[in-house]
Amino acid sequence: GAGVSQTPSNKVTEKGKYVELRCDPISGHTALYWYRQSLGQGPEFLIYFQGTGAADDSGLPNDRFFAVRPEGSVSTLKIQRTERGDSAVYLCASSPTSLGEQFFGPGTRLTVL
Amino acid sequence: SQELEQSPQSLIVQEGKNLTINCTSSKTLYGLYWYKQKYGEGLIFLMMLQKGGEEKSHEKITAKLDEKKQQSSLHITASQPSHAGTYLCGADMEYNAGNMLTFGGGTRLMVKP
Repeated sequence: GAGVSQTPSNKVTEKGKYVELRCDPISGHTALYWYRQSLGQGPEFLIYFQGTGAADDSGLPNDRFFAVRPEGSVSTLKIQRTERGDSAVYLCASSPTSLGEQFFGPGTRLTVL
Repeated sequence: SQELEQSPQSLIVQEGKNLTINCTSSKTLYGLYWYKQKYGEGLIFLMMLQKGGEEKSHEKITAKLDEKKQQSSLHITASQPSHAGTYLCGADMEYNAGNMLTFGGGTRLMVKP
């Protein structure tokens, strides 16, 4: 079956612009996670959804970052007024429940010029 | 992440040699996950460990979680070029909190033919 997909695979934007990153989880997975991975480092947790609600957004670095999952499936990570420090690979993962293996997508590489 | 230390940071081995990667925490690990990542790609799940003293194997890769659930090791026997990549340990460090993973910094493995 289809795995987790993320679009776009690459996004180049200018400082100050707004971007949206999309995640399509595996069908039926109720838990969805966003992580950010900087070059040469491990992923860092951003936000976790259980169904439609954000169960934990403690990893979002500031209020420029926001994520939604309105129908409990697709999720969108939104970044306002992008900064060069936001450049990273943004990874999405989904899981059948909030326990067990997380299935990761290929990531979106964001470059802020 | 300083909460989860991986060692070594990088490793070059001759094909056919054995190797071990370590993942250490000062806190109890409620779930320990090993992933492999190729450059520019998402994370591929390898194994999950939850019980103290647990050991799992898949093909030539064995992972263990110590009795105190604070350290895990990943051992590769008779390494092959296909084993090359970055190995990441991720851990659930809060009990029943949604399984947001904290990752180590990764171990970059190169296997020389």
